[in-house]
Amino acid sequence: QKEVEQDPGPLSVPEGAIVSLNCTYSNSAFQYFMWYRQYSRKGPELLMYTYSSGNKEDGRFTAQVDKSSKYISLFIRDSQPSDSATYLCAMGAPLSSASKIIFGSGTRLSIRP
Amino acid sequence: NAGVTQTPKFRILKIGQSMTLQCTQDMNHNYMYWYRQDPGMGLKLIYYSVGAGITDKGEVPNGYNVSRSTTEDFPLRLELAAPSQTSVYFCASRDSSSGAPQETQYFGPGTRLLVL
Repeated sequence: QKEVEQDPGPLSVPEGAIVSLNCTYSNSAFQYFMWYRQYSRKGPELLMYTYSSGNKEDGRFTAQVDKSSKYISLFIRDSQPSDSATYLCAMGAPLSSASKIIFGSGTRLSIRP
Repeated sequence: NAGVTQTPKFRILKIGQSMTLQCTQDMNHNYMYWYRQDPGMGLKLIYYSVGAGITDKGEVPNGYNVSRSTTEDFPLRLELAAPSQTSVYFCASRDSSSGAPQETQYFGPGTRLLVL
C-alpha cells in the first residue's frame, strides 16, 4: 500500500464549478499536510498547508484534513481557467530526516471556459 | 532573488553516456533535494542534503550521485544513463531555520531528460 494515495483524474469541469481534490494516507505519523500546484512544464509551488484537523481557507481555496479518517481534501470555489494545473498533495512527519515530505501522484485539473 | 535555478532545461542522452544536472539556489537554504517525476507517479526523492558536505540517499538513489561542496550548489550526476532514467528532474530547497511553514520546499523549473 502506498503511503499516500491520490485520485489520479484527469478532472474536467466548467468554469465556476466547485472542485474537490482528495488524498488518503496510511502513515499516522504525518502531521503536516500540503497542497502544491504545478502548471504544465513548471516546478510545483506551495498552494496551502495545514498542521491540524479541520478546515483552512485562503480565498477561493479550502484545505480540509480529517486525521481520524486519514483523508485530506482541497476545495476550489468559483473555479477559473487559470486554475487548470496538476495538484499534488504532500505530507510530512515531525522530526523526519531533513524534513522529507511524501507526495501524492497528482490530479490533473482542467477548467473549461 | 532568482530562487532555484536548474540547467539544462532539456537534454537527450544516449544509453551509457554521463551528464550532470546543475542546481543552484540563492536563498541561503540549508536543505536541498533532488526529485524525479514520472507521468502519473508523483515526485520521488532521489537524494537530499542538509548542508554543505552532507548528503544522503532518498527513495530512488540507484544510478545517481550527488555532491554538496557549497550551500548554493547541489549537482546531480548520472554516470551510465539508462532508458529508465528518462524523466523530469526537479531540484528543491528549504530554509531549515525560518519561521515559514516548516515543510515549504521551493522548486526549480525542472530538467527534462530523455535517454535513448
